Amino acid sequence: NAGVMQNPRHLVRRRGQEARLRCSPMKGHSHVYWYRQLPEEGLKFMVYLQKENIIDESGMPKERFSAEFPKEGPSILRIQQVVRGDSAAYFCASSPSGDSINYGYTFGSGTRLTVV
Amino acid sequence: EDKVVQSPLSLVVHEGDTVTLNCSYEVTNFRSLLWYKQEKKAPTFLFMLTSSGIEKKSGRLSSILDKKELFSILNITATQTGDSAIYLCAVGRPGSNYQLIWGAGTKLIIKP
Repeated sequence: NAGVMQNPRHLVRRRGQEARLRCSPMKGHSHVYWYRQLPEEGLKFMVYLQKENIIDESGMPKERFSAEFPKEGPSILRIQQVVRGDSAAYFCASSPSGDSINYGYTFGSGTRLTVV
Repeated sequence: EDKVVQSPLSLVVHEGDTVTLNCSYEVTNFRSLLWYKQEKKAPTFLFMLTSSGIEKKSGRLSSILDKKELFSILNITATQTGDSAIYLCAVGRPGSNYQLIWGAGTKLIIKP
């Protein structure tokens, strides 16, 4: 069981470029969550997706950020026209159901985005 | 505003010492509190607590919840250098089955 796989582990983008972060959930998990972690801050919820559906995107910035979880392939978090303030660690987690606070998520190793 | 506060923010001890990490919360309709360990990679699940006064234990780690005083502690006895990590505490967001409200973490450094 490979666990939650995120890639790339590190991503450097210049201001104005696009960043694409990928997440493959654990085998058997169909629920994916994206979190952002700024230095010395807690994880902040961004979006919750099931296959082909966005369930809750209340934590996503209104502009430049989007997420998808297609029928085939990994979940993608896309950040367009990146700015320095987007520099952070982005974590993906998965669970077998949407009732995940009752038993905890399984996290990926994260993608550390640096905008220069 | 719902929030989770961890203390101390950082802690340096020597191998063999015992440490206590604190997590206090202000959340309506509390359901569960979770502890995670984060090294230089994925946060890994340690404990989930839902009931007051019942200690959860795993090896040298243990945790307990006080729902009256709204806090939890994580104890690590006979610390080892491999315990060095950031310890994260999170509480279920009211009205959600999946969103967690996270504390900023306690950075624990164990010196040999």
